[in-house]
Amino acid sequence: QKEVEQNSGPLSVPEGAIASLNCTYSDRGSQSFFWYRQYSGKSPELIMFIYSNGDKEDGRFTAQLNKASQYVSLLIRDSQPSDSATYLCAVAYSGAGSYQLTFGKGTKLSVIP
Amino acid sequence: DTAVSQTPKYLVTQMGNDKSIKCEQNLGHDTMYWYKQDSKKFLKIMFSYNNKELIINETVPNRFSPKSPDKAHLNLHINSLELGDSAVYFCASRHGTGGGYTFGSGTRLTVV
Repeated sequence: QKEVEQNSGPLSVPEGAIASLNCTYSDRGSQSFFWYRQYSGKSPELIMFIYSNGDKEDGRFTAQLNKASQYVSLLIRDSQPSDSATYLCAVAYSGAGSYQLTFGKGTKLSVIP
Repeated sequence: DTAVSQTPKYLVTQMGNDKSIKCEQNLGHDTMYWYKQDSKKFLKIMFSYNNKELIINETVPNRFSPKSPDKAHLNLHINSLELGDSAVYFCASRHGTGGGYTFGSGTRLTVV
């Protein structure tokens, strides 16, 4: 059973602070990792992906991957109230001609003005 | 202009009924998926189709049946609806190998 674990939160941070979201996964063979943001009542929206160990930065978002520790994180700098949402970690599993994303249960982030 | 569109957006129906949810993507993607999201926001894969062939079929009841008339469409038919089927159902698509998904806007199914 391929598993993706996240703290469900809620995680509350003050406006302007750094929000840190964490995710662990069970399959060492996983190669691709994704962060989705989901506002209440809306569909998931892809905000970051990372394939290699290390950091990947895009604006206020930084994804970090450590394959040895089977750990992925998302940092949001200068958090804004508009960042308040549920953040879903997803890990790609492929084999036997199939490819699918397995999602964690999400971390709810609240940014307090 | 909508990349992945689902209809209907809301569906309220009685137990025992049969219903369908439609999904269409205009992205030219190769693979389409159906996911179920429960009240706790957990997204779980149900099916995927690649070039009109079912390649993943997770342990969902056989009351659920995906139907793909062509590469751009993947519909979900549900027979004998049960209370536990109430959830939000998301269609998604993906291009080629690797990469993330593009999700549709979701269908909120409520069985009463």
